[in-house]
Amino acid sequence: ETGVTQSPTHLIKTRGQQVTLRCSSQSGHNTVSWYQQALGQGPQFIFQYYREEENGRGNFPPRFSGLQFPNYSSELNVNALELDDSALYLCASSRAGGGETDTQYFGPGTRLTVL
Amino acid sequence: QKEVEQNSGPLSVPEGAIASLNCTYSDRVSQSFFWYRQYSGKSPELIMSIYSNGDKEDGRFTAQLNKASQYVSLLIRDSQPSDSATYLCAVNGGGFQKLVFGTGTRLLVSP
Repeated sequence: ETGVTQSPTHLIKTRGQQVTLRCSSQSGHNTVSWYQQALGQGPQFIFQYYREEENGRGNFPPRFSGLQFPNYSSELNVNALELDDSALYLCASSRAGGGETDTQYFGPGTRLTVL
Repeated sequence: QKEVEQNSGPLSVPEGAIASLNCTYSDRVSQSFFWYRQYSGKSPELIMSIYSNGDKEDGRFTAQLNKASQYVSLLIRDSQPSDSATYLCAVNGGGFQKLVFGTGTRLLVSP
């Protein structure tokens, strides 16, 4: 167990709806990254939060947004859901500082199905 | 050209054999390299990290890094059926901690 938790475990939404996914980082970690993993693919970087600000973003549209709270937990929000948003959403926590402290540990993921 | 490339497999090895998993990356400024194991329906689990050229051993696992050739590999000695999973290679070279993953290699260890 990594100490990273995510909720909910599974979620079913319909196209056009909005969804919020939650992540609590591992104790001592201050950085949260979000990834999307489609079936049969490697995780794709969505964005990262450090000190409550977005610290880098992958090739995802603005309808993917996020937040980080003072306790380093984080939310991923997706608006106007599309069928292709169906995937496993992974949260990873790490401790910013460079060098060998950048290892990311993943939570169990949230499986989102869009119908 | 994909940033991180892996053979999708499956790589089939008998129990007790050595499994060799390979990964190439395109960004020469990459500095951190990781191997994650992912069982079906589960999230990635960190197996090894490597930062310097050469070998790094941890139990049955050895990671090998060659930055000149932009190549990183994972050797699993005495493979067990419980090692059957998808192995993801990830590279971190950005100014922030963005991991770029390959598509993963599926390993099957037969009893």
